[in-house]
Amino acid sequence: KNEVEQSPQNLTAQEGEFITINCSYSVGISALHWLQQHPGGGIVSLFMLSSGKKKHGRLIATINIQEKHSSLHITASHPRDSAVYICAVAGLNFGNEKLTFGTGTRLTIIP
Amino acid sequence: GAVVSQHPSRVICKSGTSVKIECRSLDFQATTMFWYRQFPKQSLMLMATSNEGSKATYEQGVEKDKFLINHASLTLSTLTVTSAHPEDSSFYICSAPNRASGVREQFFGPGTRLTVL
Repeated sequence: KNEVEQSPQNLTAQEGEFITINCSYSVGISALHWLQQHPGGGIVSLFMLSSGKKKHGRLIATINIQEKHSSLHITASHPRDSAVYICAVAGLNFGNEKLTFGTGTRLTIIP
Repeated sequence: GAVVSQHPSRVICKSGTSVKIECRSLDFQATTMFWYRQFPKQSLMLMATSNEGSKATYEQGVEKDKFLINHASLTLSTLTVTSAHPEDSSFYICSAPNRASGVREQFFGPGTRLTVL
């Protein structure tokens, strides 16, 4: 069993729909990252969070430390949101910046 | 925001040759950088941790003599794939935490796609 599990693996939705991607992890963490990878391969860091909720534009990330679960939400989805979204966790030691990655969720938004 | 660059973005080489990939932090100092490998439709896997001024730390199963890492300055780490073979064909990505920001956010390079013929 992977330490970081994401669901769904693939998601296709119509433009404008509300999107939710889930991430569950089985180890203690100091932080959780949500990353976006476009078809060319480049990775952009969307959020880093260790508790509660963060919002940036149409993106919202939440984390429940007790339940070892995080969600990434996209409101009013747009075709340009089509990408692979990756959840990654950093270990408990403050100095531990090594990330363990989920397998990613491939999101396709249809116009 | 902080920027990490990689060079080259794409390289095609013959089997048996060595390939050097550079990772640079453009507007911050990075005493640590991380090197990852991603095979098609798979997750990123950490290969090694590059430490400025000291030896790199390799993950289990990664051959240190095959993947040479040099972190000669606070803004540059290089990964050399020695005697590359077709099975080394992959997408190589580096990341660097900007510790000066106090937030320990990680910044990723754009990646290097290596194809070994």
